[in-house]
Formats: sequence, structure tokens, C-alpha cells
Amino acid sequence: AQTVTQSQPEMSVQEAETVTLSCTYDTSESDYYLFWYKQPPSRQMILVIRQEAYKQQNATENRFSVNFQKAAKSFSLKISDSQLGDAAMYFCAYKNQGGKLIFGQGTELSVKP
Amino acid sequence: ETGVTQTPRHLVMGMTNKKSLKCEQHLGHNAMYWYKQSAKKPLELMFVYSLEERVENNSVPSRFSPECPNSSHLFLHLHTLQPEDSALYLCASSRALAGGRETQYFGPGTRLLVL
Repeated sequence: AQTVTQSQPEMSVQEAETVTLSCTYDTSESDYYLFWYKQPPSRQMILVIRQEAYKQQNATENRFSVNFQKAAKSFSLKISDSQLGDAAMYFCAYKNQGGKLIFGQGTELSVKP
Repeated sequence: ETGVTQTPRHLVMGMTNKKSLKCEQHLGHNAMYWYKQSAKKPLELMFVYSLEERVENNSVPSRFSPECPNSSHLFLHLHTLQPEDSALYLCASSRALAGGRETQYFGPGTRLLVL
């Protein structure tokens, strides 16, 4: 069975600085998808970024980028130029070929002004 | 993404009550999901529907009963719940079920408190 681990329950970053959230996963599959979701206090789960495992190039969405290390089964999220609105719970998720989405425990990110 | 709505947003119920959670998606998707989010735990997949047919039931107690009358609506009927069922219940939808590339879009959730 696949598992997703986020080892940082809480992280803090100064506004305008850069922060990296860690995520590792365990799988025997070779083709899969990885996601980072953001859940602000409103509880709306919002897709931040997505990575296809067959792509070597790291996905980027504006200030958000990932460092995907397939061999190491690592999928970290880098947030550049952090803004107050980035404060939220961030969930790493793995999606297998069957379509099942498996979430990590989450990392609560706080942004200091 | 605001294409998935859930009602009610908050619900308080006694253990003997019967209530229903409603989810509606306006994205033209064919797959819908129920998740449970408890404090300090990862999201747990409860049910999956594809084209109104239940394709997965993750060992969920029978006091939770899903219903998918059409591809746009998903209900979760609740009866004789326990206090440990208190959680945030999230609905999600995706264009299709098969394959990993389909992104799931989430609703805002229903915060449920069982007294």
C-alpha cells in the first residue's frame, strides 16, 4: 500500500522569504501523480501544484515549485516570496493509477509579517 | 476552485438524529468522492462514485450511507452517529475516475459535531 509522510507538523516563514515543505512517499508503482493541496482556515482544499511521475522536469506554478526526486521518493514544495495569504495547512498527496488519492498528515505553515 | 458546493457548512446533531450532507458539483465531472478529515489525521477516503455507481467503500460503518442520484449530486446520509464521527466531511469531484492524471476538486466541507 502506498503511504505519504510529511515530517514537519508546523513550519514558519518570514514574509517575502522562501520556505520548503517536505514530503516523502512509498510506492512500488512506476507511474503515478503527486499533488500539493492548500487548506486555508476556510477549509476549502485548493490545488497548488501537480507533478506527473514520468516527467523529469519539476512543476512550477508562479511562486510555487516542487523538487521531485523520484529515486528518493521525495516531493518537496518550495514557496518563494512568501505572502500572508500563504498561511494554511499544506497537504502532500499521492494518486495511484486506480485514482485513489492518499494524503499526508499535513504541515501547518504560518507566515510572519 | 468554487465549482463544488457543500451544505450545510456546519451541523450539530445528537446521536439519535438523522441528517444528510449534500454535495453538488458544477464542473461536469463524472466522479465524486466523500472524505473524512479528523483532527491530527490525514484525510480518509470514505466513498467513491463514478457515473453514479459506487466503486469504492473504504470499510465505512453502515451509519454512513451515501447516495448519488446523478453525476452532479452526492449525499451522505447520517444516522445514529457516535461522538468520534465528529469531523470535517469533504466532498470532491474529478472529470473521470480512471487513471491518475485527473485532478480532484474539493468543496468547502461540512463541519460536523456529534453530541
